[in-house]
Amino acid sequence: EVQLVESGGGLVQPGGSLRLSCAASGFTVSSNYMSWVRQAPGKGLEWVSVIYSGGSTYYADSVKGRFTISRDNSKNTLYLQMNSLRAEDTAVYYCAREGDCSGGSCYSGWFDPWGQGTLVTVSS
Amino acid sequence: AIRMTQSPSSFSASTGDRVTITCRASQGISSYLAWYQQKPGKAPKLLIYAASTLQSGVPSRFSGSGSGTDFTLTISCLQSEDFATYYCQQYYSYPALTFGGGTKVEIK
Repeated sequence: EVQLVESGGGLVQPGGSLRLSCAASGFTVSSNYMSWVRQAPGKGLEWVSVIYSGGSTYYADSVKGRFTISRDNSKNTLYLQMNSLRAEDTAVYYCAREGDCSGGSCYSGWFDPWGQGTLVTVSS
Repeated sequence: AIRMTQSPSSFSASTGDRVTITCRASQGISSYLAWYQQKPGKAPKLLIYAASTLQSGVPSRFSGSGSGTDFTLTISCLQSEDFATYYCQQYYSYPALTFGGGTKVEIK
């Protein structure tokens, strides 16, 4: 079964750091595009970051320079290191597989599957 | 960045109704559009990709159409489990993929 399980969320003070993890099963993280998407309380969905199968990484302007996406191939796990956290970073963070790599080549696209989400609260 | 605008932002409907949600892109995105359903406290669920291709396991009462800048999600006969919030998402312009603001379907 294809599954993603996030962990690492919690309460952190402004300016603090947190690392989120996303453990995958049923497929290989390094062979796919993997993204983080967040949702502030009562708000819509916002793409945060992606790591492509080749290792290239990209970030939303709102987190660029503060967040770092990475993966551990041996653990089949995706990470999001979040530094210099702000109140506006408060959200549920989801990891998701992005696009389609089933045909040998990868294409950016839709998000499926998604993890269950982990809540990050930035507050003093 | 491509801006995605959904309408309406919310509405009420009854079980058995045919409902349509609209999504408009700020520039042409061909058919590079996906639709998701999200229930409270849950992760979004992929319903449709490539504007009209139904994801495996999704009931056939869901359908999508459109290309270019205007898209629709239709639920042919609303069921109780369909009351949720729906989001569109473009993947024409990457890596910064963007979502619509969501449409909440509530029980009348």
